[in-house]
Amino acid sequence: GAGVSQSPSNKVTEKGKDVELRCDPISGHTALYWYRQSLGQGLEFLIYFQGNSAPDKSGLPSDRFSAERTGGSVSTLTIQRTQQEDSAVYLCASSLGTGEKETQYFGPGTRLLVL
Amino acid sequence: GDSVTQMEGPVTLSEEAFLTINCTYTATGYPSLFWYVQYPGEGLQLLLKATKADDKGSNKGFEATYRKETTSFHLEKGSVQVSDSAVYFCALSASNTGNQFYFGTGTSLTVIP
Repeated sequence: GAGVSQSPSNKVTEKGKDVELRCDPISGHTALYWYRQSLGQGLEFLIYFQGNSAPDKSGLPSDRFSAERTGGSVSTLTIQRTQQEDSAVYLCASSLGTGEKETQYFGPGTRLLVL
Repeated sequence: GDSVTQMEGPVTLSEEAFLTINCTYTATGYPSLFWYVQYPGEGLQLLLKATKADDKGSNKGFEATYRKETTSFHLEKGSVQVSDSAVYFCALSASNTGNQFYFGTGTSLTVIP
């Protein structure tokens, strides 16, 4: 596609429920990143995938968070047993590679609200 | 660890005023530096970048120069417009930290006519 797409654009869920957020990166981009943007905060790195390498999960805040990337393309971020503090905008980005000069292209985000 | 410190906002300017948004960084390696912009209701977009010391990134009248000696990458524009109202994020990426991006907290800019 023309850009990074994410779905759903908005998600309201009840505390304790599981949610899945989807990201479709730009075609041909081998690197995919997930970030979280909380109200009044900067962007917090969560996880990144590069090709077939093991993902860097160093930013995941708890074991309730997990992500997978199937076929080197689409990625799903799963939050189990959601808590109110999980409410945030979850952003996905992709880049052609992981060289430090590579620009990351961001999707529009999924706005998650946990009641 | 690597980090970015960004000028706190919000910033309010009159149209045609000069803009500076300060950004300093801490990195053990030699990072690439970026400015991203988020317009109201939209996603993050790359505004400009610089990949080595003394490089100047520029786009849409905005400029930033990679200053290794002061570890800074300040964003400037000579004459802002109402359409520049947005949140601006400074970021770095370094190969020794897996190329993940480290973002500043963002600076909200409002330009009034």
